[in-house]
Amino acid sequence: KAGVTQTPRYLIKTRGQQVTLSCSPISGHRSVSWYQQTPGQGLQFLFEYFSETQRNKGNFPGRFSGRQFSNSRSEMNVSTLELGDSALYLCASSEQPGQGLEQYFGPGTRLTVT
Amino acid sequence: SQKIEQNSEALNIQEGKTATLTCNYTNYSPAYLQWYRQDPGRGPVFLLLIRENEKEKRKERLKVTFDSTLKQSLFHITASQPADSATYLCALVPSGGYNKLIFGAGTRLAVHP
Repeated sequence: KAGVTQTPRYLIKTRGQQVTLSCSPISGHRSVSWYQQTPGQGLQFLFEYFSETQRNKGNFPGRFSGRQFSNSRSEMNVSTLELGDSALYLCASSEQPGQGLEQYFGPGTRLTVT
Repeated sequence: SQKIEQNSEALNIQEGKTATLTCNYTNYSPAYLQWYRQDPGRGPVFLLLIRENEKEKRKERLKVTFDSTLKQSLFHITASQPADSATYLCALVPSGGYNKLIFGAGTRLAVHP
């Protein structure tokens, strides 16, 4: 099976702009989670979607939002970008709807805000 | 406050030795604890998972232990190889947390020939 894919891989945006990142989970996986990774804060959970519903959310401002489509593909959006949003954004998928399952991560989208 | 901590300093060991990495947590009641490997510029790769009622899990050269009394997990790589050099992340799933992973900062392991 193909792994988790994320597009684009690299992105440069200007402060105040908005950005949309895309994630395609492994075929058959219905749970998709998003994480932000920075040198200072490490890996931080953003949100998790299952069957098009957000069922868990991290401690990020409302500028960060996401959604999941019926084919399990997911997008996350960041509005009014700030310099501190520069990070590696990782998407992960899980096979079953349970909890605590192993997650398969994509290669990430490297976002730079200037 | 809630914390999950890993040795921030890099761990340097000789090839063939056993690497032992530590993960300590405070004010969490994890249902699961997981270990991942991350190479530079790549996403984390799942290695092992241990449940709150388990003491030890093994997979090939890898072993993880979980002590809920000490609030600690240890991750061992036996017969280490230079290819094992990477950053190792522990992550816990709080009870009722679905698939929300709370990660430690990671420990960088360097295995020298």
